[in-house]
Amino acid sequence: SYELAQPPSVSVSPGQTASITCSGDKLGNKYTCWYQQKPGQSPVVVIYQDSKRPSGIPERFSGSNSGNTATLTISGTQAMDEADYYCQAWDSSTGVFGGGTKLTVL
Amino acid sequence: EVQLVESGGGLVQPGGSLRLSCAASGFTFSSYWMHWVRQAPGKGLVWVSRIKSDGSSTSYADSVKGRFTISRDNAKNTLYLQMNSLRAEDTAVYYCARDLDFDYWGQGTLVTVSS
Repeated sequence: SYELAQPPSVSVSPGQTASITCSGDKLGNKYTCWYQQKPGQSPVVVIYQDSKRPSGIPERFSGSNSGNTATLTISGTQAMDEADYYCQAWDSSTGVFGGGTKLTVL
Repeated sequence: EVQLVESGGGLVQPGGSLRLSCAASGFTFSSYWMHWVRQAPGKGLVWVSRIKSDGSSTSYADSVKGRFTISRDNAKNTLYLQMNSLRAEDTAVYYCARDLDFDYWGQGTLVTVSS
């Protein structure tokens, strides 16, 4: 079965750039989405179709996808960005989520 | 405003059954794929199942295939998940979500499988 691998945790200082990776076989040939989930809340999509940003999502969130790796980049990270982040892709008709990355802003 | 409201969760014994519902409003329900995604306590997101806008196509995660059935009633703007032969490992918050990009999520309903 298809798998997506994410680092369990990433730390970043306020104002700096955070990068969260998502790796999977030929992932660049699939669309990848990214979801932010804060404690006790439902997930929110922050990036869809590799690099598109939904309305209401700050411009500091961006995404890319090439080869075997998709990357979520948060520029000028703020304390409010501290959350769990999940990547997601479709393997034929099966949905796959990465294991999630806890972003700590310190 | 798009709203997805899940219901039907609760405590059930192993081997038991439960039916979850997701009431949709604020958009043309019959035009969108819909999904169920679950999250075990303290764990990550896991896709469970999806159904095409007209109900003509469904797919399932291997872990629930043959036990769970997704369905929808477009006249009632409601998505369902019939869960049979429940196991302890099915314990999770179950979310419904809209479209192939999961652009809207409900608040989730907790299913606990325990004796």
